[in-house]
Amino acid sequence: DADVTQTPRNRITKTGKRIMLECSQTKGHDRMYWYRQDPGLGLRLIYYSFDVKDINKGEISDGYSVSRQAQAKFSLSLESAIPNQTALYFCATSDLLGGRASETQYFGPGTRLLVL
Amino acid sequence: GQNIDQPTEMTATEGAIVQINCTYQTSGFNGLFWYQQHAGEAPTFLSYNVLDGLEEKGRFSSFLSRSKGYSYLLLKELQMKDSASYLCAVLDSNYQLIWGAGTKLIIKP
Repeated sequence: DADVTQTPRNRITKTGKRIMLECSQTKGHDRMYWYRQDPGLGLRLIYYSFDVKDINKGEISDGYSVSRQAQAKFSLSLESAIPNQTALYFCATSDLLGGRASETQYFGPGTRLLVL
Repeated sequence: GQNIDQPTEMTATEGAIVQINCTYQTSGFNGLFWYQQHAGEAPTFLSYNVLDGLEEKGRFSSFLSRSKGYSYLLLKELQMKDSASYLCAVLDSNYQLIWGAGTKLIIKP
């Protein structure tokens, strides 16, 4: 079984709809991340969480919100989807060793989102 | 601002050697990562350098020069399955990963 899973894998939605992307991990890692990837732009950080009570905005958090329901679960919501949020979304995890994050990140398989 | 530069695309021949360069300007430095990403798939970890020098791992090697803000990934004995994008990422002073846009490597027979 995959260590980091994402649901759904593909999603088509309409402008203005609220949608949620979910991420679960069995690696036991404390840190979780949400990225989006657009062609030619690389990975951009949306939100990250160091533990259940710690959530931080990333580079491009506008239009997104997150929820860390448990150590193993981190959800990303688009409150009112717009076409320029069409992208490939990745969840990732990393661990904290000896009080300092190793920062090798492990990625889920991604969610392809199309906003019409 | 923070910036990571790598070539957009490179082409190489099966069995040959290719070097993918990465230059960076970041607020602080706590290590540099290389990831491989096949089309439509998740990035996977290849290497991590925090000290100057060459790290070798099988057919792949990664080099770092902190004074020059420079790294390269060296791929030897290229195989068709090495066709992928290679992402350079730097861990800055806040332990945030700053990602390059990636280099698409095309392997020809």
